[in-house]
Amino acid sequence: GQNIDQPTEMTATEGAIVQINCTYQTSGFNGLFWYQQHAGEAPTFLSYNVLDGLEEKGRFSSFLSRSKGYSYLLLKELQMKDSASYLCAVRDKAPQAGTALIFGKGTTLSVSS
Amino acid sequence: EAGVVQSPRYKIIEKKQPVAFWCNPISGHNTLYWYRQNLGQGPELLIRYENEEAVDDSQLPKDRFSAERLKGVDSTLKIQPAELGDSAVYLCASSRPGEETQYFGPGTRLLVL
Repeated sequence: GQNIDQPTEMTATEGAIVQINCTYQTSGFNGLFWYQQHAGEAPTFLSYNVLDGLEEKGRFSSFLSRSKGYSYLLLKELQMKDSASYLCAVRDKAPQAGTALIFGKGTTLSVSS
Repeated sequence: EAGVVQSPRYKIIEKKQPVAFWCNPISGHNTLYWYRQNLGQGPELLIRYENEEAVDDSQLPKDRFSAERLKGVDSTLKIQPAELGDSAVYLCASSRPGEETQYFGPGTRLLVL
């Protein structure tokens, strides 16, 4: 079966660093995505990993280990606006345009001052 | 560029009534997805279109749900009759051939009473 696990909730303070972990067990693997979703809004794309290693984009970085079925999203210099749900998603089928994603339940991050 | 447009944003209906949602994808995006997101969960795929063809509708409850994408642009998702358990956010997303990222619309929040 398909299974994607991430913590339900996390809290952190402004200026800190937080790491959101995601483990997956899927029938195949062709890429892992992280999306940010503010309450009542659409998910917005943050990062994409298909090879092992770290992808850095500003304050956000994402890491992937395919052998361990593991990824994390690292948020640095946290700001209040980073309070949102962070969704881990895996594409399990062949890398062709338009293949749907399998989402985890999301991690709700609360940033306090 | 304009994002994915969905309407209505909110809909409240009584059970057994029909309801329809509309989506206009980003211009040039051939692939269109309908996802359903229950409270506290990640989005789950209902149907995926490549142009006007439904290429993955295995998760669509076909006894009450239907979808169409005439002319390969706009799409409608219909539920008839609606049940209490259909209360959720219905998200539309689109992607461009050869690109990994899916872009989501703001969603339609459905409440069935």
